[in-house]
Amino acid sequence: QSVLTQPPSVSGAPGQRVTIPCTGSNSNIGAGYDVHWYQQLPGTAPKLLIYGNSNRPSGVPDRFSGSKSGTSASLAITGLQAEDEADYYCQSYDSSLSALYVFGTGTKVTVL
Amino acid sequence: EVQLVESGGNLVQPGRSLRLSCVASGFTFDDYAMHWVRQDPGKGLEWVSGISWNSGSIAYADSVKGRFTISRDNAKNSLFLQMNSLRTEDTALYYCAKDSDRHYLPYNWFDPWGQGTLVTVSS
Repeated sequence: QSVLTQPPSVSGAPGQRVTIPCTGSNSNIGAGYDVHWYQQLPGTAPKLLIYGNSNRPSGVPDRFSGSKSGTSASLAITGLQAEDEADYYCQSYDSSLSALYVFGTGTKVTVL
Repeated sequence: EVQLVESGGNLVQPGRSLRLSCVASGFTFDDYAMHWVRQDPGKGLEWVSGISWNSGSIAYADSVKGRFTISRDNAKNSLFLQMNSLRTEDTALYYCAKDSDRHYLPYNWFDPWGQGTLVTVSS
């Protein structure tokens, strides 16, 4: 169902930097639509992490950053901390009409 | 504090109906579009349906079109999802989520989300 592709998992030691790619197509990210990122801690609802490709809502640490280029986007976490262990999803708009909004397949971040 | 509280999830047989509700508080409900997003247990997220602030615009994912109906009651700060002809593949945790604008536009995001209500479709 997901049309945005993410790696199933990434891992890193505390303090390291990890990146999560989100690959789309010309009907979503490549069409110029914004990418947003959500963090889902175990047993909780998704929480907005990044909006408009690279903007952080109030309260989100600046360790989290987002970028977008072409048909892909990326979430970076620098200075990885134990509390960052969660699932991360990208989201965009899709003009293909089967669903207005599409999510990534999700990436589990593990802190070693 | 902005809060969304869903209810109505249950175990239901295939072909039957269910109505989900979401009550909002902490913000001016009729200033924002609203959405339903579902998550298959242990799996990813799927956008289900969206409705503009005044119910003037409504959209559905193809997977639920013709079976589900989204609605809202601004006087009661409430969002609803009427689910008919349920299938086993509709089994999921259903979240309601607040849009970032009055209309569901291409650049919008979802914030916040409720805690979800579980729908299980099984015989």
